[in-house]
Amino acid sequence: DGGITQSPKYLFRKEGQNVTLSCEQNLNHDAMYWYRQDPGQGLRLIYYSQIVNDFQKGDIAEGYSVSREKKESFPLTVTSAQKNPTAFYLCASSPRQAQRNQPQHFGDGTRLSIL
Amino acid sequence: QKEVEQDPGPLSVPEGAIVSLNCTYSNSAFQYFMWYRQYSRKGPELLMYTYSSGNKEDGRFTAQVDKSSKYISLFIRDSQPSDSATYLCAMSATGSARQLTFGSGTQLTVLP
Repeated sequence: DGGITQSPKYLFRKEGQNVTLSCEQNLNHDAMYWYRQDPGQGLRLIYYSQIVNDFQKGDIAEGYSVSREKKESFPLTVTSAQKNPTAFYLCASSPRQAQRNQPQHFGDGTRLSIL
Repeated sequence: QKEVEQDPGPLSVPEGAIVSLNCTYSNSAFQYFMWYRQYSRKGPELLMYTYSSGNKEDGRFTAQVDKSSKYISLFIRDSQPSDSATYLCAMSATGSARQLTFGSGTQLTVLP
């Protein structure tokens, strides 16, 4: 089955620690995205990538970093600079940006909490 | 003021009821409108995608867009307990997925 796999499902971070969230897709999509979801707020875009070895900051990139070395993979690192990392993190993918009316497909998220 | 406003609920209805979910927005440039359904501890899944004003129907779901009022709606007919979820509206000026603005979601419970 084609889809997006996020791991782990739950993650705990200690103070001063960097943690990395995994996102893998087998949909052959060019574009991938990371969102943060907080209670009472809509999804907010952290980073996105339209093509391998290229990525752009979204609305709330501070304290996060990404890489896109393979088409299938778009890991997100939550660094110690992110002072409020507790949230539900969602990865998504879509076909090429140039094509309109192409919906995003989402993974099932990683819930990150502070120890 | 948020660019997209959505009543968070929670909203509880009996099985078989017609459900109306709504979002208002302030950016008149929005042209592409989406509704996502999100079950607890899962990622959102796309339900409806509409462009500009008008209605779109898919089974028990109808999406309406009124650009003059900056108001969009999702209607669910003959609601089922399996429809219990959070419903998110999302919209974009360009159709580009990287420029989506999401509402905060409405939590719906359909009681058997």
